[in-house]
Amino acid sequence: DAKTTQPPSMDCAEGRAANLPCNHSTISGNEYVYWYRQIHSQGPQYIIHGLKNNETNEMASLIITEDRKSSTLILPHATLRDTAVYYCIVRVAGNQFYFGTGTSLTVIP
Amino acid sequence: DVKVTQSSRYLVKRTGEKVFLECVQDMDHENMFWYRQDPGLGLRLIYFSYDVKMKEKGDIPEGYSVSREKKERFSLILESASTNQTSMYLCASSKGTNQPQHFGDGTRLSIL
Repeated sequence: DAKTTQPPSMDCAEGRAANLPCNHSTISGNEYVYWYRQIHSQGPQYIIHGLKNNETNEMASLIITEDRKSSTLILPHATLRDTAVYYCIVRVAGNQFYFGTGTSLTVIP
Repeated sequence: DVKVTQSSRYLVKRTGEKVFLECVQDMDHENMFWYRQDPGLGLRLIYFSYDVKMKEKGDIPEGYSVSREKKERFSLILESASTNQTSMYLCASSKGTNQPQHFGDGTRLSIL
């Protein structure tokens, strides 16, 4: 099963871009990469997902390397409300999602 | 927007009680899931369901059962609650195989 590796914590200045990396070196060809975030005391919030092409929506951009072994979530203009734990997930075995411990992002005023 | 609603945000029960956690989604999703989240352990899958009256065990099904009598509703049952089932319980739903899961806000359950 594909696993993901993320740094445990990161800081970002308010108004700057936050770039959150994720390593998934064992990903297989038909597995998607998903990003979620979780603000304290709430359920995980879906952000974006992709297979091999870069993706953008109103919340973020997802950059996937050509070999698909890593990806980066970009929050273009971080705000204090973006402070959360961010999870990078590779879907395995049908519909099961495996959440690791994620990256705790702190946006600093 | 997808709405996944869990019946309670906070719940306190006693050891040995039978506990029901309810989850309802309003987007006609086929798939529904129950997770528990504990500090340092991330989210762990308890049970999931691909269709009405269908259920599959996740990674930690022991001590739990589920019921899906209607497509929009997925219930988690603690048959005889124990203190090690004190946790945050999260319900999620998704439309299809590669579609994202959407989560409720969770139920923080304390077993005394």
